[in-house]
Amino acid sequence: QSVLTQAPSASGTPGQRVTISCSGSSSNIETNYIYWYQQLPGTAPRLLIYRNSQRPSGVPDRFSGSKSGTSASLAISGLRSEDEADYYCVVWDDSLSVWVFGGGTKLTVL
Amino acid sequence: EGQLEQSTAEVKKPGESLKISCKGSGFTFGNYWIGWVRQMPGRGLEWMGIIYPGDSDTAYSPSFQGQVTISADKSISTAYLQWRSLNVSDSAMYYCARQISGAITIFGVPEIAFDVWGQGTMVTVSS
Repeated sequence: QSVLTQAPSASGTPGQRVTISCSGSSSNIETNYIYWYQQLPGTAPRLLIYRNSQRPSGVPDRFSGSKSGTSASLAISGLRSEDEADYYCVVWDDSLSVWVFGGGTKLTVL
Repeated sequence: EGQLEQSTAEVKKPGESLKISCKGSGFTFGNYWIGWVRQMPGRGLEWMGIIYPGDSDTAYSPSFQGQVTISADKSISTAYLQWRSLNVSDSAMYYCARQISGAITIFGVPEIAFDVWGQGTMVTVSS
């Protein structure tokens, strides 16, 4: 069981705004940067957000990240069918001294 | 931009050794941290460790320390992930990935901001 908790699934309709959450603790999310990855079926992960809210070049501004206390969120606005994927949060855990991933959230675009 | 090309899928027996590779192109390999991430079948992602090919500085996840060896040869722009003795539980997809330019360190460990990924190497260990 991961130290970061993500809902196993989420869904939305095209054009909708969806939020994917990641819950942690004072030893990880509260004190360290959070990162978000997207993994389309059968492909390698893709970096969406780094250092809480920064987007790498090429990532559309439909994707945004935020953090408050021991929780973080990835928001996707203007949902598209190609956003259907698994989404993972990841953060450094001070107690475990390791980068820990959430269990992932499978996003379905209805 | 850069690319990472990983070695092809492997099928091994328990107890055998294995070394998989990750070759970089389109960037100065020695100037970027290269990390390894495991994904077991139907499961999530796990950070294994990371290496700086410029000086072979390496950091491991405690879960993988002593279980695998990460190395690199900057002269041929290639990083490696090696096992001395495979277990069935090592069956997984293994990805290498490149750190973003200007990466920072968190408690001495490079951040997990990987902007270029290899295609993955599937390792199957079965008797």
